[in-house]
Amino acid sequence: DPKIIQKPKYLVAVTGSEKILICEQYLGHNAMYWYRQSAKKPLEFMFSYSYQKLMDNQTASSRFQPQSSKKNHLDLQITALKPDDSATYFCASSPDWGVYEQYFGPGTRLTVL
Amino acid sequence: TQTVSQSDAHVTVFEGDSVELRCNYSYGGSIYLSWYIQHHGHGLQFLLKYYSGNPVVQGVNGFEAEFSKSDSSFHLRKASVHWSDSAVYFCAVRGNNNAPRFGAGTKLSVKP
Repeated sequence: DPKIIQKPKYLVAVTGSEKILICEQYLGHNAMYWYRQSAKKPLEFMFSYSYQKLMDNQTASSRFQPQSSKKNHLDLQITALKPDDSATYFCASSPDWGVYEQYFGPGTRLTVL
Repeated sequence: TQTVSQSDAHVTVFEGDSVELRCNYSYGGSIYLSWYIQHHGHGLQFLLKYYSGNPVVQGVNGFEAEFSKSDSSFHLRKASVHWSDSAVYFCAVRGNNNAPRFGAGTKLSVKP
């Protein structure tokens, strides 16, 4: 059974719209993360959460907003979508926030037209 | 600011060969280094890590990496590669309480 679920697997959106990327982990971890991977840039760290609290935010744009309704959920809301937002978005988790190995989900591939 | 550099974008070897994938970093304080593997169309999978102690660390599937403070390096090695090792390998570095930074990745192609 998959331990980290990301939904949807593929997502197509139009410029200016808003989408929510879903992430749930069933590893019992206390820390969760979002990353972005595109052809133009290497894997890019976006956010980290620990016990549902924001720990790091490396994303300059406020259009990207994480949402944590439960400790094992960390969704990513993206507003006013732009073509440059096209990328694969990976969710990850670790036992606790800090120097632990991270477990990655399968990713959501977002294409903005 | 920590940075991580993977100088080889693509490495091609034959099955059974040994391989070394290079990773160099720059960071002034205590750091945590790790390697991840990404097969095509999948998320990253953890291979191994170094934080302190023995500079040679063993990972899954016969991989090992060696930390060198003098060279600011954390190269990944495998003595005998298999075709299933074909993937993209990412080196990552983070300091205490800092966000992790990943290298650009090295694509390893193993020919039969």
